[in-house]
Amino acid sequence: LAKTTQPISMDSYEGQEVNITCSHNNIATNDYITWYQQFPSQGPRFIIQGYKTKVTNEVASLFIPADRKSSTLSLPRVSLSDTAVYYCLVGDISAGGGADGLTFGKGTHLIIQP
Amino acid sequence: GAVVSQHPSWVICKSGTSVKIECRSLDFQATTMFWYRQFPKQSLMLMATSNEGSKATYEQGVEKDKFLINHASLTLSTLTVTSAHPEDSSFYICSASSGGSEQYFGPGTRLTVT
Repeated sequence: LAKTTQPISMDSYEGQEVNITCSHNNIATNDYITWYQQFPSQGPRFIIQGYKTKVTNEVASLFIPADRKSSTLSLPRVSLSDTAVYYCLVGDISAGGGADGLTFGKGTHLIIQP
Repeated sequence: GAVVSQHPSWVICKSGTSVKIECRSLDFQATTMFWYRQFPKQSLMLMATSNEGSKATYEQGVEKDKFLINHASLTLSTLTVTSAHPEDSSFYICSASSGGSEQYFGPGTRLTVT
């Protein structure tokens, strides 16, 4: 069971780039790395998923080093509305993957200030 | 795409009664659905995994006779909290997967037991 470690909280300012790193030393060969955003009293929202190297979509980038023991979520030019809890999940829930990817860590509470 | 709904969004019930929560995948077929519970200021905790047409797999410490899960179709799973007590008050969130590496979350259901 791959466990994840993230900073409990981070502060930044509007317009800045924010990088949140997650450690997952026990990641397995078939595991994917997925990041979610959660606002209070809402379900988590998918941000980005990757397996190795770099992945970019319209809202974020995900950097994964060659050893895959960590990953970094990069949010370009954050705004106040990006204040939320960000979770990194590591696992494989595809057919046969079971529930190994479904242990949420404590997440990172990102606070964006004006 | 990949929209998951939950009903109701909130419910208040009296101690000793049962409550049913529905989780639907609106635009895809969910071969697997997951049920989570989240207490205030805490992370999500996986309760059970359900595959369409099969019995649910419960996580350690989750009472299967108290939290009844039915996944009767590829778009619907239900969680019934039987004989609810105040300590069952929580935020219940479902997610669904079509068999790939991603899971999509519903908006959650706030249960308050008085």
